[in-house]
Amino acid sequence: DTEVTQTPKHLVMGMTNKKSLKCEQHMGHRAMYWYKQKAKKPPELMFVYSYEKLSINESVPSRFSPECPNSSLLNLHLHALQPEDSALYLCASSQGVWQGRDEAFFGQGTRLTVV
Amino acid sequence: AQSVAQPEDQVNVAEGNPLTVKCTYSVSGNPYLFWYVQYPNRGLQFLLKYITGDNLVKGSYGFEAEFNKSQTSFHLKKPSALVSDSALYFCAVRDGNNAGNMLTFGGGTRLMVKP
Repeated sequence: DTEVTQTPKHLVMGMTNKKSLKCEQHMGHRAMYWYKQKAKKPPELMFVYSYEKLSINESVPSRFSPECPNSSLLNLHLHALQPEDSALYLCASSQGVWQGRDEAFFGQGTRLTVV
Repeated sequence: AQSVAQPEDQVNVAEGNPLTVKCTYSVSGNPYLFWYVQYPNRGLQFLLKYITGDNLVKGSYGFEAEFNKSQTSFHLKKPSALVSDSALYFCAVRDGNNAGNMLTFGGGTRLMVKP
């Protein structure tokens, strides 16, 4: 199994809503990532989890809250988002964070629209 | 600091012709270089990487890339383009001498292959 699975594929939420994005991988990877991607732009790193611990937070606003319940799952909790947060949210995983040589495997993303 | 430049926003090529998507990089240590492809509303798919060894790297779907240290380039190539190759291509770099450095993506190049 070489897949990273993200749910839901599409999400529309109001600015007062609370929602969660989910990501799952069964490749035994110990690093998992959240990226945000705007149209026709490269992905921007948001968070990195290494061995289920948050190791990097790229100064992301607190309305985005990551969670790693176990080594296979990664969640992104959303609360009080703004319309400019509308984007494609990508989850990725890799064998390790610090080895440097590993390619990342990406999920197909959640298309988020904030209204 | 590390950076990647993809000088062309879009590359147009006729089906059956060779294609090249350009990438230049800047890192202070050893470059680990990656190419990813993204189809519409999908996540990124890994194509190939250069870590060490032969300068010519072969990857998925008939793509290859040549690492040129003196020109700090890692151009993506394919001998005969297919219409189905039309997508957004991202070059990425990581400094292999700096554990903890995350991947830096280029701005992306849209490849259009016309029948």
